[in-house]
Amino acid sequence: KNEVEQSPQNLTAQEGEFITINCSYSVGISALHWLQQHPGGGIVSLFMLSSGKKKHGRLIATINIQEKHSSLHITASHPRDSAVYICAVSPSSTGNQFYFGTGTSLTVIP
Amino acid sequence: NAGVTQTPKFRILKIGQSMTLQCTQDMNHNYMYWYRQDPGMGLKLIYYSVGAGITDKGEVPNGYNVSRSTTEDFPLRLELAAPSQTSVYFCASSYSGQGAIGYTFGSGTRLTVV
Repeated sequence: KNEVEQSPQNLTAQEGEFITINCSYSVGISALHWLQQHPGGGIVSLFMLSSGKKKHGRLIATINIQEKHSSLHITASHPRDSAVYICAVSPSSTGNQFYFGTGTSLTVIP
Repeated sequence: NAGVTQTPKFRILKIGQSMTLQCTQDMNHNYMYWYRQDPGMGLKLIYYSVGAGITDKGEVPNGYNVSRSTTEDFPLRLELAAPSQTSVYFCASSYSGQGAIGYTFGSGTRLTVV
């Protein structure tokens, strides 16, 4: 059983396209994180959400708590956006246990 | 500001050997975590610590030990390496629980047990 499901698993886009990555979860949460993992392995936290929407540059993250769903959007995609994007949730029942999705591998072609 | 520093970046171990993965953070974060990442799987929590002198098991603690003698350091010890421990290991830290901002990862340690 996987508490966090991401789709798609793999995504290839042309430079400039609008990209959406989805995350669905099955537990009550206190927060949801979107992480970015570049080739070479480093992981960076992009957003932490507990409600609504956040924007940072060309990245937008939204969350619908009632539907247990979050989306990460990338506008005007660029080859440097190529990475694995990981959704992680912090269950409200346990403050110190994250559940991670398996990631969405994004490749943006020039 | 170095953030979270992990060493080594790569290591090959023989079955039965032991080693310590080092993790240091300079952000005065009280929470620290060790994860492993296997191909096609989400990150799994091995151990975590909510402050110096306090550690607790995560989802996959078997075969590992940790200690937290200072706020800055959170080493992960493998006592008898097994092929199942071949993985990429990430250390992370945050100001408080995993719902908090300021969640920072190290660059990872790629471990192969042969």
